[in-house]
Amino acid sequence: DIQMTQSPSSLSASVGDRVIITCRASQTISTYLNWYQQRLGKAPKLLIYAASHLQTGIPSRFSGSGSGTDFTLTISSLQPEDFATYYCQQTYSNRLFTFGPGTTIDVK
Amino acid sequence: EVQLLESGGGLVQPGGSLRLSCAASGFSFTTYGMSWVRQAPGKGLEWVSFISSNGGRTYYADSVEGRFTISRDNSNSTLYLQMSSLRDEDTAVYYCARESPPVRVVAYFDFWGQGALVTVSP
Repeated sequence: DIQMTQSPSSLSASVGDRVIITCRASQTISTYLNWYQQRLGKAPKLLIYAASHLQTGIPSRFSGSGSGTDFTLTISSLQPEDFATYYCQQTYSNRLFTFGPGTTIDVK
Repeated sequence: EVQLLESGGGLVQPGGSLRLSCAASGFSFTTYGMSWVRQAPGKGLEWVSFISSNGGRTYYADSVEGRFTISRDNSNSTLYLQMSSLRDEDTAVYYCARESPPVRVVAYFDFWGQGALVTVSP
């Protein structure tokens, strides 16, 4: 099975900060990598699909990059509504769509 | 507007059974594959099961294989998850999620329900 790791597991930031979250796959997954945001008590929401494609309706301050095994999610200027947990997900393996363990952004 | 509404969660004893439903609206249900994803309290996301648009293909995580059954009723735009032989570790919020259109090369979950809590406890 493909294992996903994320770093950091948590970070403290302020409104306006540039935030970068990394995700690494245990084997190459091309660009079969998605990012989700989950606010406390809410369902996950798709932010980025296929490593770098912004989902409709998602603000342009979110961006994704990477291919192979290493990926990043960047928030260019953190907004109050962005304090949440972020998960990467690989969909390369046939139907074993594993998620990363998550990265929580809280208020510094 | 795409909507997914789960129901059927609750408290069940270990070894018991429960059936979750997910009522879909706002899109052509028969066109999309659907999945269940769960989240144990305070933990991350775990994909549980997938069913293709016509119900002909189903897949399960190893952790639920042989105990859970996914199905769908396309005439009523409803997704199901039949859970049996439930264990403590099945306690979680269960989300139904719509998979990206088949034309997309990379699969992703573009819409999620609000979740249904399943608690397995004596």
